[in-house]
Amino acid sequence: EMQLVESGGGLVQPGRSLRLSCAASGFTFDDYAMHWVRQAPGKGLEWVSGISWNGVNVAYVDSVKGRFTISRDNAKNSLYLQMNSLRPEDTALYYCAKDTGLQIAATGHWGQGTLVTVSS
Amino acid sequence: SYELTQPPSMSASPGQTARISCSGDRLPNQYAYWYQQKPGQAPVLVIYKYTERPSGIPERFSGSKSGTTVTLTISGVRAEDEADYYCQSTDRSGSVVFGGGTKLTVL
Repeated sequence: EMQLVESGGGLVQPGRSLRLSCAASGFTFDDYAMHWVRQAPGKGLEWVSGISWNGVNVAYVDSVKGRFTISRDNAKNSLYLQMNSLRPEDTALYYCAKDTGLQIAATGHWGQGTLVTVSS
Repeated sequence: SYELTQPPSMSASPGQTARISCSGDRLPNQYAYWYQQKPGQAPVLVIYKYTERPSGIPERFSGSKSGTTVTLTISGVRAEDEADYYCQSTDRSGSVVFGGGTKLTVL
């Protein structure tokens, strides 16, 4: 069974850093691009970042460029999101999602999310 | 920045057909995807590449494209279809973009 399990969320002060992780199982991890998508409380979905199957191609939404870094370790079947200089508007449930193919295109299967709260 | 436009809400009675639209000027050339999200749950892909249905998704869900608008059609709406629905595509730079979402209420 395909599984994506996020971890690393929590309460953090503005300006601080947090690293999210996503452990994947039940599929061949390096056959797929991967994504982080967030959802602020009561709001819609916002794509945050994506990474191709081999990590060569990465992309970010404008609001996190220069602050967030996506990476993956195919040997460990893991996806990461390093979040620096966090702002209150980054508060959201962060989902890890598997793409439908090798390159960044769409989010197929999703995890259950990890909550990030940025507040003093 | 690229935007996908959806109606914020719509309603349908059980057994009726619900059609949720999504418009964007790159949709003729970039695949569209549709997701269903029920309260407290992660989104689920219900349509990919405009018209394809993943395994396990009921046949009453279908997708179509006409010009710069794509449509998710739910035929014979059921109470369990009440959810938020999001369209998704990619922008000129290859980044993923979601529509604002449509809340479907089953009366």
